[in-house]
Amino acid sequence: DTGVSQDPRHKITKRGQNVTFRCDPISEHNRLYWYRQTLGQGPEFLTYFQNEAQLEKSRLLSDRFSAERPKGSFSTLEIQRTEQGDSAMYLCASSFHRGYMNTEAFFGQGTRLTVV
Amino acid sequence: KNQVEQSPQSLIILEGKNCTLQCNYTVSPFSNLRWYKQDTGRGPVSLTIMTFSENTKSNGRYTATLDADTKQSSLHITASQLSDSASYICVVSDMTTDSWGKFQFGAGTQVVVTP
Repeated sequence: DTGVSQDPRHKITKRGQNVTFRCDPISEHNRLYWYRQTLGQGPEFLTYFQNEAQLEKSRLLSDRFSAERPKGSFSTLEIQRTEQGDSAMYLCASSFHRGYMNTEAFFGQGTRLTVV
Repeated sequence: KNQVEQSPQSLIILEGKNCTLQCNYTVSPFSNLRWYKQDTGRGPVSLTIMTFSENTKSNGRYTATLDADTKQSSLHITASQLSDSASYICVVSDMTTDSWGKFQFGAGTQVVVTP
């Protein structure tokens, strides 16, 4: 396992189309996080899972956004009816959490979305 | 208002020179502070992590300092190399949560090292 993997690395889509991104976390990590990052800004939290349960969603996650982690392994982030404001880097991170033990979170390379 | 402020927003330095980046935070109660390096178009990579009891930590040519009393941290880069060109992000967490979702990210300092 070489780390957190995201696919695709780049996506260009027309406004109004739906897009789906995939994240494969580090295999033993039970927590998975999605962030959005725009140019010149730090990552902004979108949502996170512990195993297959989605534990928290940011208010940044509008109704057009949905995330799943059906088997507690990989996760998908779907954006419906994309808008130009959705153009950003979408980052995934994973960590292991049990009680008071928490590993560092490791980030994937990100998916760069451009909505034209 | 962002609880983590970084300065400068960007800086340009000559290869071989040193530089220092600043991070001021208001996150409370403070738990730990991380510095990340993010190359353009890639995900952030952890450089250092410090708890409130630590006031300095090094990782190669990177040295982070922390003053939990004044809520300030700095990242010092020694003998800069071209590969140090990146954005450096300060991330602060509080004691009330272990969730990365609640961690506060700074906007980053963009460092450009020129030959």
